[in-house]
Amino acid sequence: KQEVTQIPAALSVPEGENLVLNCSFTDSAIYNLQWFRQDPGKGLTSLLLIQSSQREQTSGRLNASLDKSSGRSTLYIAASQPGDSATYLCAVKGYSGAGSYQLTFGKGTKLSVIP
Amino acid sequence: DTEVTQTPKHLVMGMTNKKSLKCEQHMGHRAMYWYKQKAKKPPELMFVYSYEKLSINESVPSRFSPECPNSSLLNLHLHALQPEDSALYLCASSQEGRGQGIAGELFFGEGSRLTVL
Repeated sequence: KQEVTQIPAALSVPEGENLVLNCSFTDSAIYNLQWFRQDPGKGLTSLLLIQSSQREQTSGRLNASLDKSSGRSTLYIAASQPGDSATYLCAVKGYSGAGSYQLTFGKGTKLSVIP
Repeated sequence: DTEVTQTPKHLVMGMTNKKSLKCEQHMGHRAMYWYKQKAKKPPELMFVYSYEKLSINESVPSRFSPECPNSSLLNLHLHALQPEDSALYLCASSQEGRGQGIAGELFFGEGSRLTVL
């Protein structure tokens, strides 16, 4: 059974710092890995999707890497801003059979960026 | 348009009520999902529909009844719920290629906040 771990569980940084969020997974037979952002009481916003054949994806100040063989992904946030404060969730997608795919989520990293 | 729309945003119901949550997407996605999320926890998968057929039911109690009337709509019918069912219910969709191994990006709605009294 796939297990996804995110470290750290919480992180507080001053504005302007660069930071790295970590995600690890136990089963390397994944189709893709997706990073989400969730604000309190809201839905999940997709940040980056990395297919299993890719090594990294970039969007603005965000860069996500994937090392499938070692079961690791990192989300790099450059020049952090108070508006980046949220919970960041990592999820890996595996095949569940019957033409369906299933996401397994980590527990998230709660990020606070202090002005 | 990368939007998944959920209604209602908030719902309060008694344990004897019958209500429904609705989800709609117009991205042409053929996979739709219901997730349940409790406070400070990650989302938990409840149901998956693939090409309008229920393909995954994660041992969800029968008081939750999903329905997929067409490729754009997903409903979750609620009946005789318990207070512990209070949670944020999230709908998601993705484009999956049947038999092609295409694993699409999941898009989530804003959720329906359910309170059971």
